[in-house]
Amino acid sequence: EVQLVESGGGLVQPGRSMKLSCAASGFTFSDYYMAWVRQAPKKGLEWVASISYEGSSTYYGDSVKGRFTISRDNAKSTLYLQMNSLRSEDTATYYCASHYVYYGSIGYFDYWGQGVMVTVSS
Amino acid sequence: IQLTQSPSLLSASVGDRVTLSCKGSQNINNYLAWYQQKLGEAPKLLIYNTNSLQTGIPSRFSGSGSGTDYTLTISSLQPEDVATYFCYQYNNGFGAGTKLELK
Repeated sequence: EVQLVESGGGLVQPGRSMKLSCAASGFTFSDYYMAWVRQAPKKGLEWVASISYEGSSTYYGDSVKGRFTISRDNAKSTLYLQMNSLRSEDTATYYCASHYVYYGSIGYFDYWGQGVMVTVSS
Repeated sequence: IQLTQSPSLLSASVGDRVTLSCKGSQNINNYLAWYQQKLGEAPKLLIYNTNSLQTGIPSRFSGSGSGTDYTLTISSLQPEDVATYFCYQYNNGFGAGTKLELK
């Protein structure tokens, strides 16, 4: 059974940093692109970032480019999201998802974690 | 590409045939998926590539469409289908969602 378990969320002040983790199990982690998708309270879904199988290619949404960094450790089957210069508008539930990619970063998200809440507030 | 989902809120009865719409501002080229999100839960993939049913999803769910217009159909609405449904155009973004409730 595919399992994705996020951790590392919580309350953080504006301008500070936070790192999220996602532990994967039940599938061959290195065979999948992986992604982060977020959802602000009572709002819709927004793709944040994706990373290729070995981590050599990364892709970011415009709203986080230059501030967030996606990475992975295939030996640990773990995905990461380093978030710097956090803003109030980054407040959201962050979901880890496996990303079925056809080419580039074109594809859909098939399996999702339960999500972790990040609140950016002073 | 802008994705417009309609209606934003849909009330239907158990057993009804329900149709949800997702329209793109440009050709989506069938690169479209549908997700179901129940209250307090993570989204779940229902349909990918416009009309391919994800493993484990009941056959009452189906997808169709081409060009700019796409549809998710639930052939016979069940109580457990109460949720918000999002369409997603690959590498572009999600629609705002349709909230489906029981009448």
